[in-house]
Amino acid sequence: SAVISQKPSRDICQRGTSLTIQCQVDSQVTMMFWYRQQPGQSLTLIATANQGSEATYESGFVIDKFPISRPNLTFSTLTVSNMSPEDSSIYLCSVDSGTDTQYFGPGTRLTVL
Amino acid sequence: GEDVEQSLFLSVREGDSSVINCTYTDSSSTYLYWYKQEPGAGLQLLTYIFSNMDMKQDQRLTVLLNKKDKHLSLRIADTQTGDSAIYFCAESIREYGNKLVFGAGTILRVKS
Repeated sequence: SAVISQKPSRDICQRGTSLTIQCQVDSQVTMMFWYRQQPGQSLTLIATANQGSEATYESGFVIDKFPISRPNLTFSTLTVSNMSPEDSSIYLCSVDSGTDTQYFGPGTRLTVL
Repeated sequence: GEDVEQSLFLSVREGDSSVINCTYTDSSSTYLYWYKQEPGAGLQLLTYIFSNMDMKQDQRLTVLLNKKDKHLSLRIADTQTGDSAIYFCAESIREYGNKLVFGAGTILRVKS
């Protein structure tokens, strides 16, 4: 299984600011994903991070609000822009190991005041 | 469309078996997964089953898949207090780029 780390593990931010979350994998992977888990809720896919091209966003999520970078096969970032309290969630990255299994990072717990 | 449903809460006594149920709607699911989330932690992949299988056993975990009824279950034998967590059922559909669709999660509480 892949070992995935995320930074920061948690943060408290002010309304209107932006936060960039990093996801690092210990091996090269083709597919990386970003999910959001709102308080007491299940996980919702934000986007698929594609290496060398723009991310593919799910319905209800847009690039201006959640810009994503994928500079190489082991790293991706998700930025939560112009934050509001409604963005308070856990943000998780996951990777497809190539054997049709997805492994998740520990998550970034974001609180927006 | 894609939809995954789970019962929301299950309470069992330590040592008993737990059975967590899940139903899904998309018949083109490729894999079905069970993830565990402990308080304040990320998701841990527990087990998964390919859609052409009926059963998979892994130590204390048994997954049963009824493709006709689109029903998936996770049985935990000899449930321990450390099994208390939220359990998520998820399906992946290859034609959608292996996107995972999650159920709402089942809270398992184990009483000692």
